[in-house]
This record gives sequence, structure tokens and C-alpha cells, in this order.
Amino acid sequence: KNEVEQSPQNLTAQEGEFITINCSYSVGISALHWLQQHPGGGIVSLFMLSSGKKKHGRLIATINIQEKHSSLHITASHPRDSAVYICAVENNTDKLIFGTGTRLQVFP
Amino acid sequence: DAGITQSPRYKITETGRQVTLMCHQTWSHSYMFWYRQDLGHGLRLIYYSAAADITDKGEVPDGYVVSRSKTENFPLTLESATRSQTSVYFCASSESGYGYTFGSGTRLTVV
Repeated sequence: KNEVEQSPQNLTAQEGEFITINCSYSVGISALHWLQQHPGGGIVSLFMLSSGKKKHGRLIATINIQEKHSSLHITASHPRDSAVYICAVENNTDKLIFGTGTRLQVFP
Repeated sequence: DAGITQSPRYKITETGRQVTLMCHQTWSHSYMFWYRQDLGHGLRLIYYSAAADITDKGEVPDGYVVSRSKTENFPLTLESATRSQTSVYFCASSESGYGYTFGSGTRLTVV
């Protein structure tokens, strides 16, 4: 079993829909990261969380430390949000443990 | 502009050749990392460095060599390239509590 599990693996949405991507982990962590990678593109860090909730534009990330679970929400989704979203946790070694990613496609 | 720069963006090389991928960061972050990304495997850690002159193996270090004589540079060398090393390589830097910054990636093809 992977230490970081994401769901769903693939997600298709219509423009304007509210999107949720989930991440569960089984190890102790110091922080959790949400990353975005567009097709053929580089990796961009969206959020780093150790507790609570963060918001940036249409993106919201939450974490529940007790339940070892995080969610990434996208409000009013747009085709340019189409990308792979990767959850990664940072344990006390300063190294990241990656989930397998969620491929999101948003259609107009 | 501050950030992390990888070069080259694309590289084609022949089996058996030595190849060096460059990574330069302007943040003065302590930690630097090299990952490879392959279909079906996601991102895997090759080597990392906690500071200048300190490096350590990651998950898939075989066939790779790193050095870090200066904080800002972390080159990755494939001593004798093999087809199985065809991949996209990402360099990243971080500082405890401040998140990660990734480079744009180097797409390496070994023929």
C-alpha cells in the first residue's frame, strides 16, 4: 500500500463545476504539499499545509491532521485548470513522498 | 529573476556517453533534490543534498552521480547513459518550512 493515496486517479468535469481531489496518507508528516503539473510542463507548488485551510484564488486546500487527510478544491473550474495534481507529504527527513497524481480534464 | 534553472531543457544522447544535467538555484535554499518522472512510476528521488558537500542517495541512485561544491549548484551526471535512463528529470530546492521550488525539467532521451 502506498504511503500517500490520491483519489480519484482521473477526473473529468464541465467548465464551472466544483472539483474535489482527495489525499490520504499513512505516515507522520511535518507538512503536506499540493503540486500542479500541466501536460508536458514543469511542476508548480500550489500549497504547503501543516494545519487548517489555505486559499489562493479559486483553489482551496484543507488538511485534517487527526484523520490524515487533505482535500484540494477548485471552484468554478476552467479548462486551463486541466493538469495533473499531485499530493506530497513531507516527513521529518525533509524529503517528499508523492502520491500518484490525479489527472483532471475540464471541458468547455 | 530568482528561482531554479535547469539546463538543458532537452537532450538526446547515445548509450554509453556521459551526460551532465545542470541545476542552479538563486534562493540559497539548503536542500536540493533530483527526481526522475516516468509513466507508471510518478516522481522518484535520485539523490538529494542537505547542504554544500553533503549528498545522499534517494530511491533510485544507481547509474547517477551528484556533487554540490556550492550551495546554488547541484549537477546530476549519468556516467554511462543507458536507455532505461530516458526520462524527464526535475531538480528542486527547499528550505525547511518554506516549501519546494521545482525546475522546468530536462527531457533526456538515450538512444
